[in-house]
Amino acid sequence: GQSLEQPSEVTAVEGAIVQINCTYQTSGFYGLSWYQQHDGGAPTFLSYNALDGLEETGRFSSFLSRSDSYGYLLLQELQMKDSASYFCAVWGLSGGSYIPTFGRGTSLIVHP
Amino acid sequence: DGGITQSPKYLFRKEGQNVTLSCEQNLNHDAMYWYRQDPGQGLRLIYYSQIVNDFQKGDIAEGYSVSREKKESFPLTVTSAQKNPTAFYLCASSIGPGGAGDTDTQYFGPGTRLTVL
Repeated sequence: GQSLEQPSEVTAVEGAIVQINCTYQTSGFYGLSWYQQHDGGAPTFLSYNALDGLEETGRFSSFLSRSDSYGYLLLQELQMKDSASYFCAVWGLSGGSYIPTFGRGTSLIVHP
Repeated sequence: DGGITQSPKYLFRKEGQNVTLSCEQNLNHDAMYWYRQDPGQGLRLIYYSQIVNDFQKGDIAEGYSVSREKKESFPLTVTSAQKNPTAFYLCASSIGPGGAGDTDTQYFGPGTRLTVL
């Protein structure tokens, strides 16, 4: 089976930098994705890593180390609107197909 | 505008009733997914479909059923056999069937909040 671990909550102040970690166990790993979800809303895609290293998209960056089964999402210049839940998700092999498995999510609270 | 629509936004069901949640996409995506989200929890996969007329069980398929007769539609039926159906249900789609790289990006609908009375 597949499983992911991420912290349940992280708090930070506006303008700061925060890192949300994700460790995973999966068979046939293909890629690690990150999604953002505001309260009551739908998850929206943030980033995807299939290879080791850092991917940067504006204020958000995502890192992957396949040898450590570990990744993180880095949010810079935090804004109040970044307060949301962040989910990591892996694509892993199950029954001959690649299927996604999501972590339980990290609630990010940004204070003024 | 391309996207995924789900209806209704809120749904109330009496115990013992079956209900069907609608999911439609006009993104021309091959793959579609149904997830269940409980408060403070992640998304758990109920069913997925990689191509028309084919679908597979996810991690928590018991008490649910789906069909994929058209590429753009993937309705989910919550049956009376589902013991605890009150939850937020999310439908998603992706270009490819998974394991293909950037085409794995999932696009989510706005969700249906189901409450059993």
